[in-house]
Amino acid sequence: DIQMTQSPSSLSASVRDRVTITCRASQDISNSLAWYQQKPGKVPKLLIYAASTLQSGVPSRFSGSGSGTDFTLTISSLQPEDVATYYCQKYNSAPRAFGQGTKVEIK
Amino acid sequence: EVQLVESGGGVVRPGGSLRLSCAASGFTFGDFGMSWVRQAPGKGLEWVSGITWNGGYTSYADSVKGRFTISRDDAKNSLYLQMSSLRAEDTAFYHCARDGRGGGSYYSDSWGQGTLVTVSS
Repeated sequence: DIQMTQSPSSLSASVRDRVTITCRASQDISNSLAWYQQKPGKVPKLLIYAASTLQSGVPSRFSGSGSGTDFTLTISSLQPEDVATYYCQKYNSAPRAFGQGTKVEIK
Repeated sequence: EVQLVESGGGVVRPGGSLRLSCAASGFTFGDFGMSWVRQAPGKGLEWVSGITWNGGYTSYADSVKGRFTISRDDAKNSLYLQMSSLRAEDTAFYHCARDGRGGGSYYSDSWGQGTLVTVSS
């Protein structure tokens, strides 16, 4: 099975900082990658699918890139409401594995 | 507005069985694939199972294969997860989720609040 590895596992950044989270697949998954945001006590929210397509209603400071095995989620200007854990998920085939998550905090 | 409401969680002994349900509303249920995703308290997300829009294809995580069965009833706008031979490591919140629109869109664009399954003696 394909494994998904996120880095870092956690990060602390200042408001308005540019934040980058990486997700690596153990095999080529083309662009079949999604990113989710989960705020404390809430259910996950879809941010990006097809590696770089922004879900409707998601702020434009979020962006995704990559294909094949290496993917990136970028928050161009971190806001206090972006405190959350972020997960990648591959969905080209079953099992649709998630990464282990990246916890983002404000410094 | 898409709404997904799970039910059927509870406390069950190891080796026992439980059936989860998910009531869907706010969209044409029969047009979408569906999934179950679980999250143990304080832990990350784990995809459990998925079913295509017509029920013609089902898939499972290795950790539940042979023990869990996903199904759907489009007439009742409902998704199910039959769980058997439950283990302590199955303890988690179980979320029902809707797949994206269109072929190959096997990500989850809407999520329910989840139902808690606790496996304990």
